Amino acid sequence: AAGVIQSPRHLIKEKRETATLKCYPIPRHDTVYWYQQGPGQDPQFLISFYEKMQSDKGSIPDRFSAQQFSDYHSELNMSSLELGDSALYFCASSSLAGFYNEQFFGPGTRLTVL
Amino acid sequence: AQSVTQLGSHVSVSEGALVLLRCNYSSSVPPYLFWYVQYPNQGLQLLLKYTSAATLVKGINGFEAEFKKSETSFHLTKPSAHMSDAAEYFCAVSYGNNRLAFGKGNQVVVIP
Repeated sequence: AAGVIQSPRHLIKEKRETATLKCYPIPRHDTVYWYQQGPGQDPQFLISFYEKMQSDKGSIPDRFSAQQFSDYHSELNMSSLELGDSALYFCASSSLAGFYNEQFFGPGTRLTVL
Repeated sequence: AQSVTQLGSHVSVSEGALVLLRCNYSSSVPPYLFWYVQYPNQGLQLLLKYTSAATLVKGINGFEAEFKKSETSFHLTKPSAHMSDAAEYFCAVSYGNNRLAFGKGNQVVVIP
């Protein structure tokens, strides 16, 4: 079965640079979520989109922005990167019509800021 | 705010012994409850989820969890640990706004 695809899997950036993370949800899933997992931490919710509209917002820094496109893929844009942004970034997708909005996670993008 | 408590960041268990990971949620309204497993350098895989249809939920890899409303708990168990169970386990809750709130996780070490 098709899974959530994230690219790139690994990304190394310098401080103050920008980064773009991409997420391709499971086909026919209409909702995308972004989570950030710092080293040794639990995943923290950043933001979500339903049918290309922002549906919920968590602890996402103002330096970050995200959107969902017409093909339902989503991109997380991160600017003015800081050392503390180094983390594993997960994308998850779900179908509103699905079971308890069960979220399926991608393998994550590991961002390292030097 | 919704929250989940997982006690004991590291849990050591002997191979073949019972695995018990505790999860408590803080709410008077039962949330949707999930257990996820994360293997090193991998994403989160759903082990099992709570539905109101049954308080005892069976998941993959021999894991199960019991929802106890009176104790606001959703503890995860497996009768006999296997070396392949070494991983990090997260309990998570959702109250219908879809975002998941995770506990701090339990790093399970299986001792041969």
